[in-house]
Amino acid sequence: AQSVTQLDSQVPVFEEAPVELRCNYSSSVSVYLFWYVQYPNQGLQLLLKYLSGSTLVESINGFEAEFNKSQTSFHLRKPSVHISDTAEYFCAVSLDSSYKLIFGSGTRLLVRP
Amino acid sequence: DVKVTQSSRYLVKRTGEKVFLECVQDMDHENMFWYRQDPGLGLRLIYFSYDVKMKEKGDIPEGYSVSREKKERFSLILESASTNQTSMYLCASSLPPRQFSYEQYFGPGTRLTVT
Repeated sequence: AQSVTQLDSQVPVFEEAPVELRCNYSSSVSVYLFWYVQYPNQGLQLLLKYLSGSTLVESINGFEAEFNKSQTSFHLRKPSVHISDTAEYFCAVSLDSSYKLIFGSGTRLLVRP
Repeated sequence: DVKVTQSSRYLVKRTGEKVFLECVQDMDHENMFWYRQDPGLGLRLIYFSYDVKMKEKGDIPEGYSVSREKKERFSLILESASTNQTSMYLCASSLPPRQFSYEQYFGPGTRLTVT
């Protein structure tokens, strides 16, 4: 069965430090990969996605993620975080031709001044 | 911009009550979803609908039913609410996979407390 693993439930980091949120998936078929962000008391918003093409994808607010097929990973990175990046981040996988998204358990990013 | 709205942000109900959660999307999306979100468990799919009057069970359908009479509206029903259904409920919508979108758009969520 397909699954998504986010090993870190919480990642505390100081403002302006770099951060990496890890995501690994298990699937034997082609996948599409997503990172969603949930700010306090809000729904989920799409941060970035990989469908095809370049394995490095970027968001408008400085996050990037790299699809690594051999390691079945899609880690999220940002070189310098802001207080406003404090949120919960969810990695998700969609199988080829499927309507369904499989979500990881989420990683809470806590940015401290 | 796609907009997905949910009828209530917060809801408190008693055990045994029938509960309706409503979701409306304004982008003519064919697919609509109901998830529940619990700490440490991420999002789990309750039900999915790919067209009016069509529905499929997700991973945790027990204790829930759904209704989709119009394309823009998808309702989640708790026939007899129980305390273990206290959770955050998220609605989402999307285009069908054949349109190569795959992205789901989420509503703000309804935090339901069953006492």
